Formats: sequence, structure tokens, C-alpha cells
Amino acid sequence: AQRVTQPEKLLSVFKGAPVELKCNYSYSGSPELFWYVQYSRQRLQLLLRHISRESIKGFTADLNKGETSFHLKKPFAQEEDSAMYYCALADRGSTLGRLYFGRGTQLTVWP
Amino acid sequence: NAGVTQTPKFQVLKTGQSMTLQCAQDMNHEYMSWYRQDPGMGLRLIHYSVGAGITDQGEVPNGYNVSRSTTEDFPLRLLSAAPSQTSVYFCASSYSFTLPDTQYFGPGTRLTVL
Repeated sequence: AQRVTQPEKLLSVFKGAPVELKCNYSYSGSPELFWYVQYSRQRLQLLLRHISRESIKGFTADLNKGETSFHLKKPFAQEEDSAMYYCALADRGSTLGRLYFGRGTQLTVWP
Repeated sequence: NAGVTQTPKFQVLKTGQSMTLQCAQDMNHEYMSWYRQDPGMGLRLIHYSVGAGITDQGEVPNGYNVSRSTTEDFPLRLLSAAPSQTSVYFCASSYSFTLPDTQYFGPGTRLTVL
């Protein structure tokens, strides 16, 4: 069974501080991991996926298979980063294209 | 492209009423799905479809029906609404179901069942 755990429901940091949103997964196959973000009053959208190894809006995430983690990091948080963040896992070998979401972390960046 | 559209944006129902939440996409995506979003629970998959005429259940399908008669449309039907179905509902689509792919979400429907 697949499972995604985001241990922090709420996370607050001050502007300019580093931020790390934690994501751990439990999966026996070859996972593909995503981070989705939902800004206030906007639809859920893809932030980044591990396979593309991109940095989006200053965020990066590294897949650590040993620790089964995919933490999202940004060295200097901005107020506009305040949003709900969801970690998601898909089975790379799946024929179903299904995503399994964590419960989300609400990030607040204070001025 | 309009992307993924959902109607209505808000709906209030009484227990026992039925209704259909509409979802449409104009990106010729094969894969469409419905999620519900509840506080502290994240997004949970209700039903999904890998193409016209093909649907299957997700994690929380009870109380909901779907059909996919066209590539573009994927309506979600509540047969007899219950207060436990109060939630925000999101429709999503992606180009391929054979590979994990970016999912595009609609704006959501906020449903309250009294």
C-alpha cells in the first residue's frame, strides 16, 4: 500500500528564514514524487516533481530513497509562499496514473 | 484553453437530495478524476476514469457515481446527499494514464449538506 505522510499540519516562519516542509513516503515499488501547492482562493497546481530536478519559485526537493523522504526546501521564504502544500506519490509503473496525497502542510510566512 | 472547469462553485443541499457536479476539460486528456478535500485529511480519490466509457473506484467511492460518455466530461453524481459529504470537491485531469503525469485541477465545488 502507498502512503504519504506530512507530519506538520501547520508551519510558520518569518520572511527571509529557511523553510523545510517534510514529506515521508512508504512504498515498495519505484515511486514518483510531486509537490502540489494551493494558494488562497486558487486551484491546486503542480509545484515540482522529483524526476525533473527543477527549482521552482526557489523551492527544491530531493528524493532520498534511504530515508524515504521528499522534503521541500527553500533557503529564504517569502510572504507569497504562504499556501497549503501537498506531497503526492504516484507509482511509476502504474497503469492507472493515480496520485496519493499527504494531508497537507499549511505554510504561513510572516513579514 | 479553459483548462479544467467545474460547476457549480457552491452548492447547499438538504439530506437526501441528489445532484450532479459537472467537470469538463478541453485539453483532450485521457485521465480524469474526482477528489474530495477535507480539513486534516488532504485529498482523497473518489472515482477516476482512464478514458471514455471506463471508470473505476478510488479510496472513498461510497455515495457517489460517475460516468464518462465523452473525453471532455466527467460528472460526479451524489445519489442521496448526506452531511458526511460536506466537502470541497476537485476534478482533475492529466494527459496520460500510463505514466504518472502532471494533474491539472479545477477550481473546486464547495458543497454543504444540511
